[in-house]
Amino acid sequence: DQQVKQNSPSLSVQEGRISILNCDYTNSMFDYFLWYKKYPAEGPTFLISISSIKDKNEDGRFTVFLNKSAKHLSLHIVPSQPGDSAVYFCAAGINAGGTSYGKLTFGQGTILTVHP
Amino acid sequence: NAGVMQNPRHLVRRRGQEARLRCSPMKGHSHVYWYRQLPEEGLKFMVYLQKENIIDESGMPKERFSAEFPKEGPSILRIQQVVRGDSAAYFCASSPRQGKYEQYFGPGTRLTVT
Repeated sequence: DQQVKQNSPSLSVQEGRISILNCDYTNSMFDYFLWYKKYPAEGPTFLISISSIKDKNEDGRFTVFLNKSAKHLSLHIVPSQPGDSAVYFCAAGINAGGTSYGKLTFGQGTILTVHP
Repeated sequence: NAGVMQNPRHLVRRRGQEARLRCSPMKGHSHVYWYRQLPEEGLKFMVYLQKENIIDESGMPKERFSAEFPKEGPSILRIQQVVRGDSAAYFCASSPRQGKYEQYFGPGTRLTVT
């Protein structure tokens, strides 16, 4: 039962253009979402998060959009840089009543390649 | 380096041996999570611990796997009688408190069972 899905295994983008990574979820109990970047042989690095009470969160070149009705979120990277080339994972969690259950559910990942 | 520390980075075990994976959380973090990544897959939650307590072990296989986070020292993920299917990358993450969403990950331990 894949509750968090990233349907695009890979994405190729030209340097300077926008990268859009997508993620869908099925569990309506999820109320916070995160994006992580991962290089080979390293652990995931936290990028940006969003609570379900918001529909957008921005941090520098990274913006996450959340569409609750469609159970869809996306990560926009503008402008894309070659150093952004990595695997990107979306993750979701449940924070009920202010007490985080801690468990994150991850998508399968999307390999982003940014060409110079 | 104030990040999450994991050791060893690489571990090779023969079938039937025991594997012990260690995780030291970031300074000031008292919540530890273990995840496993099989080849070509995303990370799967295994267990969530606070000091001396297991909070959620719903992702942990019922047999051969155990985890602890003692009052002093690192968190330990222990796999007894390893099998080839246990070969994976095991990641530890930490967070400072409940309700704090972001989890910060260590570099992982790559377990190979021969």
